Amino acid sequence: DQQVKQNSPSLSVQEGRISILNCDYTNSMFDYFLWYKKYPAEGPTFLISISSIKDKNEDGRFTVFLNKSAKHLSLHIVPSQPGDSAVYFCATGSNTGNQFYFGTGTSLTVIP
Amino acid sequence: EAGVTQFPSHSVIEKGQTVTLRCDPISGHDNLYWYRRVMGKEIKFLLHFVKESKQDESGMPNNRFLAERTGGTYSTLKVQPAELEDSGVYFCASSPRTRGSAFFGQGTRLTVV
Repeated sequence: DQQVKQNSPSLSVQEGRISILNCDYTNSMFDYFLWYKKYPAEGPTFLISISSIKDKNEDGRFTVFLNKSAKHLSLHIVPSQPGDSAVYFCATGSNTGNQFYFGTGTSLTVIP
Repeated sequence: EAGVTQFPSHSVIEKGQTVTLRCDPISGHDNLYWYRRVMGKEIKFLLHFVKESKQDESGMPNNRFLAERTGGTYSTLKVQPAELEDSGVYFCASSPRTRGSAFFGQGTRLTVV
């Protein structure tokens, strides 16, 4: 019973274009959302987060959008760079809870 | 500053054997988490320590899994006896706070044959 779904297992984007990664969650009690990036043979690395009191958070080339009514989260990377090629995991949970629920990941390939 | 370190990076064991995974969190991080990713699926929570205390072990699959964090420093996760379905990548993560993001180790890839 997955609490977080990333329905696109993979995505390919041309260098310089925008990458949009999507995530849906089921529990409206979740109030904190994160994106992690993972390279092969490494652990996930925190990328960006957003709390439920906001609908957008920006950090350089990375922007996370939150649509609470749709229970939908997205990560925009612009412009995309070859070094962005990695697996991206969406994670959600309560900010007061002990655990986060992760999606299955989306493998992004940025083509030079 | 050293990151979260996990040992071993790979382990191949036979069904029925015992394996112990170790995690050294970032120094000073009271919160330590174990997660597991099986066959390209989602990363699933196993348990959460605050210092040496188990705060939440609701994700532990069954009683073949035992986690400890003696002294509130490093942690071990023992699987005894291992079954085929235990294969996967086991991640440890640590955080200075209960809330917010955590720092992950590189993972231990466990293969049970």
